[in-house]
Amino acid sequence: DAGITQSPRYKITETGRQVTLMCHQTWSHSYMFWYRQDLGHGLRLIYYSAAADITDKGEVPDGYVVSRSKTENFPLTLESATRSQTSVYFCASLDRLNQPQHFGDGTRLSIL
Amino acid sequence: GQNIDQPTEMTATEGAIVQINCTYQTSGFNGLFWYQQHAGEAPTFLSYNVLDGLEEKGRFSSFLSRSKGYSYLLLKELQMKDSASYLCAAQDSNYQLIWGAGTKLIIKP
Repeated sequence: DAGITQSPRYKITETGRQVTLMCHQTWSHSYMFWYRQDLGHGLRLIYYSAAADITDKGEVPDGYVVSRSKTENFPLTLESATRSQTSVYFCASLDRLNQPQHFGDGTRLSIL
Repeated sequence: GQNIDQPTEMTATEGAIVQINCTYQTSGFNGLFWYQQHAGEAPTFLSYNVLDGLEEKGRFSSFLSRSKGYSYLLLKELQMKDSASYLCAAQDSNYQLIWGAGTKLIIKP
C-alpha cells in the first residue's frame, strides 16, 4: 500500500545504546521530516531532508543523526540514547512546499 | 522569536459549535495549517489558509487574518469523534512549520 510507514511502532532501550528508527515512504516525495512530540510541547523538528543526500538540522538536532541515501528512506539514529530522548517520534513527508505534510503512525520510544 | 499560541484545553457539548483560536509570530509567513490528532495517533491534515478569509470544508471551517497574525478553526455540529487535539502550525519564510502545542478538545454528551 502507498503511504508512509515507521518502524518499530514501540521500542524500549537502555541509556547509552544506539537505536535507529526507520521511515519509508512510497510517494517519492522530495521532502522528509523527523519530529518528536512531548507533552506540553508542539511537534519539534529534529532533522529534515529536501532530497536524497541533502539533510539539514531542525530545532532540536543534538544527539541525533540522519541519512538519506534513497529518496524513500529517512532513518533517524540516536547514537547514545539518553532518558531525555524518551518521546514519540513522527516521520513526515511532503511533495511540494505549501502542501500538507503526511505523517507516519509514529514510534513510541522509551529509554530506561 | 517565532511563536504559536493556542489554548491548552477546551470543552464543548455534542451538537454545538466550538472555535479554537491560534495566534502566531513568525519570520515571514507562507501559510497556516490545522491538523487533527486523536490520542495515540498521527496528526492528520484538516485545512490550509494562505490568504485572508474563511475556508469551509463541511463541518470544519478555518479563518485567517494575516495582519493580525490570527487564525481560528470552527467546528460545527460537534460529534463525539471530534474529541481530539487540534494543532495549529504556521509556515515561515523558509517554509518551515512552527507548531503550537495543540488544543485538546473534549466533547461532552
